[in-house]
Amino acid sequence: GQQLNQSPQSMFIQEGEDVSMNCTSSSIFNTWLWYKQDPGEGPVLLIALYKAGELTSNGRLTAQFGITRKDSFLNISASIPSDVGIYFCAGFWIQGAQKLVFGQGTRLTINP
Amino acid sequence: EAGVAQSPRYKIIEKRQSVAFWCNPISGHATLYWYQQILGQGPKLLIQFQNNGVVDDSQLPKDRFSAERLKGVDSTLKIQPAKLEDSAVYLCASARSHYEQYFGPGTRLTVT
Repeated sequence: GQQLNQSPQSMFIQEGEDVSMNCTSSSIFNTWLWYKQDPGEGPVLLIALYKAGELTSNGRLTAQFGITRKDSFLNISASIPSDVGIYFCAGFWIQGAQKLVFGQGTRLTINP
Repeated sequence: EAGVAQSPRYKIIEKRQSVAFWCNPISGHATLYWYQQILGQGPKLLIQFQNNGVVDDSQLPKDRFSAERLKGVDSTLKIQPAKLEDSAVYLCASARSHYEQYFGPGTRLTVT
């Protein structure tokens, strides 16, 4: 099946720092979603992107749908302790029978 | 609005036993999904329902897994008999539109 390569796998930052993570694929995706998962909970949808080049914000979070339709990135500005968790990118592969494919996740740890 | 409900939250069984999980989607969401999330990985789709019909079950191990969605609302996922490698979190998600899927808290299954 199609895979999404998410990086970095983990991040250790200081509170207040900005965070950037990305997701790439060798194939074209027609929708990108970013989710956050806290321990013991299901993923929570943060941002949905539908068009190449689209830049969307949700509070301190900003995500972009890459022009090539093969990548997406998520930025978090001025991180706070509640940002700790695992961030997943997910996409609908244009040739993939409309299955939502997930990346492996980026684990964010914040030192106060 | 109420989110996706799942039960039980945790289940421990011995291999070769059977187990069932229950999901109640967000009201009005016609599409329901079951995902398997192995520790350290992103969720992987097992089966997708549209109302009470199966849209995609290509990744469901049908020799041991079964799922149904009677009356197009609640759904159950069953494993019989369980194997050690079935230890994972089983996530239910629902969607009004296909793209924005909302997840429940999951059921953590441990097979010993």
